Amino acid sequence: GESVGLHLPTLSVQEGDNSIINCAYSNSASDYFIWYKQESGKGPQFIIDIRSNMDKRQGQRVTVLLNKTVKHLSLQIAATQPGDSAVYFCAEPGHISGGYNKLIFGAGTRLAVHP
Amino acid sequence: EPEVTQTPSHQVTQMGQEVILRCVPISNHLYFYWYRQILGQKVEFLVSFYNNEISEKSEIFDDQFSVERPDGSNFTLKIRSTKLEDSAMYFCASTREGQETQYFGPGTRLLVL
Repeated sequence: GESVGLHLPTLSVQEGDNSIINCAYSNSASDYFIWYKQESGKGPQFIIDIRSNMDKRQGQRVTVLLNKTVKHLSLQIAATQPGDSAVYFCAEPGHISGGYNKLIFGAGTRLAVHP
Repeated sequence: EPEVTQTPSHQVTQMGQEVILRCVPISNHLYFYWYRQILGQKVEFLVSFYNNEISEKSEIFDDQFSVERPDGSNFTLKIRSTKLEDSAMYFCASTREGQETQYFGPGTRLLVL
């Protein structure tokens, strides 16, 4: 079925440490995943995406890892900064025939960065 | 960098009243969406819109909801008779042809009293 979920509701890290946010999905046919960051009172902001033909994709300070065997993806943030404090969502398209698809969001993980 | 914009940022209304939430998608985007987020919960899909018609709608999007693209730039969500449980953040999103990443607006916080 269509389901994207997250392991942990809250993650607290020290400034400068690396953060890892996890996400599990249930649909083995899923072929595209997106990570969004949502700061308080704002809309989801695109961070990085990955297609199922890749295991890893890197951006600026962020890396997404995809393990199709166990249907798991993670977002790694290097040298976490106070500005990284937000709720992070993984999302995937819910496939419909033709057209472009709704996004199905996971529950979200709150990242709290402490000085 | 172009952005999705939404107005108003906050709306307070009485139960039973009609509200219209407005969005201006990114100008070269063709696919438009509304999502909502109840406080502390995940973002939920409401409706997608393409070529002046609804592509898909969720079970949340009942007869009280409607969408419209009245001109070349605006995309609106109307709730005809608001209920207390309609209180939420409403996000508009858009994407262009050939792209799956959706870009979200800042949201409208709707409070129904």
